Amino acid sequence: ELKVEQNPLFLSMQEGKNYTIYCNYSTTSDRLYWYRQDPGKSLESLFVLLSNGAVKQEGRLMASLDTKARLSTLHITAAVHDLSATYFCAVDLESSGDKLTFGTGTRLAVRP
Amino acid sequence: NAGVTQTPKFRVLKTGQSMTLLCAQDMNHEYMYWYRQDPGMGLRLIHYSVGEGTTAKGEVPDGYNVSRLKKQNFLLGLESAAPSQTSVYFCASSYGGPGNTIYFGEGSWLTVV
Repeated sequence: ELKVEQNPLFLSMQEGKNYTIYCNYSTTSDRLYWYRQDPGKSLESLFVLLSNGAVKQEGRLMASLDTKARLSTLHITAAVHDLSATYFCAVDLESSGDKLTFGTGTRLAVRP
Repeated sequence: NAGVTQTPKFRVLKTGQSMTLLCAQDMNHEYMYWYRQDPGMGLRLIHYSVGEGTTAKGEVPDGYNVSRLKKQNFLLGLESAAPSQTSVYFCASSYGGPGNTIYFGEGSWLTVV
């Protein structure tokens, strides 16, 4: 059974600081997704990582994938309040079908 | 620019009642999914479909049924609602295959009393 673990579960950070969210998964997979969810809203796709060593960046967020370590990271650079949200990683259970198994989420609060 | 649309958005049911959640997508996606989200947890897959006329069980299928009679629609049914089915339900769709973005609907808030 595929298990996806994120840490930390809750992160309170000051504006301007850097931090990293970690996503570990238990079964070999080379498809890793990051989503953002604002309170009461749907999930917004941030990144899709498809191979070992993949790195993608958008604004202050950068995601990477190490399939050998079964680890993905979401790095936040110089955090701003608008980044406050819950971030989920999700791993594809099979090579087809896009059946995602989600982590429990990291709730990020950026304070002034 | 509709994307993935879910109806209804909010519903309160009594234990034992039945209801159907409707998901519609206008992106000509082959794959559609129903997830549920509970407090402090990630999303869990209930059922999914890889094409019109097909359905398959996900991680937590008990108490739910689905149908995909038309490519653009995916229905989730609760035959006899239970308080444990109080949750937020998300529909999603994608083209399928590596790297394809999975798009989510706005969610349906269901309370069973």
